[in-house]
Amino acid sequence: IVLTQTPLSLAVNPGQPASITCKSSRNLRHDNGKNLLCWYLQRPGQPPQLLIEETSVRVSGVPERFSGRVSGTDFTLQISRVEADDVGLYFCMQNIEIPLTFGGGTKLEIK
Amino acid sequence: VHLEQSGGEVKKPGDSLKIACTGSGYDFAHYWIGWVRQVPGEAMQWVGFIFPSDSDIRYSPSFEGHVTISADTSVSAAYLQWRSLRASDNGIYFCARVKTTFGLGARFWHFDFWGRGTLISVSS
Repeated sequence: IVLTQTPLSLAVNPGQPASITCKSSRNLRHDNGKNLLCWYLQRPGQPPQLLIEETSVRVSGVPERFSGRVSGTDFTLQISRVEADDVGLYFCMQNIEIPLTFGGGTKLEIK
Repeated sequence: VHLEQSGGEVKKPGDSLKIACTGSGYDFAHYWIGWVRQVPGEAMQWVGFIFPSDSDIRYSPSFEGHVTISADTSVSAAYLQWRSLRASDNGIYFCARVKTTFGLGARFWHFDFWGRGTLISVSS
């Protein structure tokens, strides 16, 4: 399964929204109704951090500013109001089947 | 949950190598633990994972036969090993704990906690 992530990078003013898309080459919706895609944030010099699982479920401790949704095979991570702490590399990962595969990543910077 | 990884390595093509990841703060033996490679400018690559309790292993086809994953529950450690390194093995290797979920008889894996990574540099 190939995940195509866009944009490669984006620069956002603090307080403004940001949106990242991950397009899957195949349907990630299992028969149990769940769309199996995760979002991670890797801050500079840090290991990746799980933000969202099953497309839209925020992990404990992740601010409500982060949300995920899906339309068909297009997955979107949205940040309603970007903060300085949000800078880093965002990437998606599908987990409906192995081999697990990842999107190429989106680098978020603050203007 | 804390995953402590061994230090970076500088090796030559053909060298062998074994890197380690020690888990703490959770029941190490009963969570899958996996390895992921990161090369700057490229998508992350899943290497494989292991269930330490019974050493059940899943490899990515891209890495199977070239690396060996193992675990030692007595020291809560997982390992990634190469018998003969290649220049293409360069990268940062992360270990990560796996969260397993189930649905309609199927099993799904994703990573919930990650180590800080081990930088592997292979050059002649």
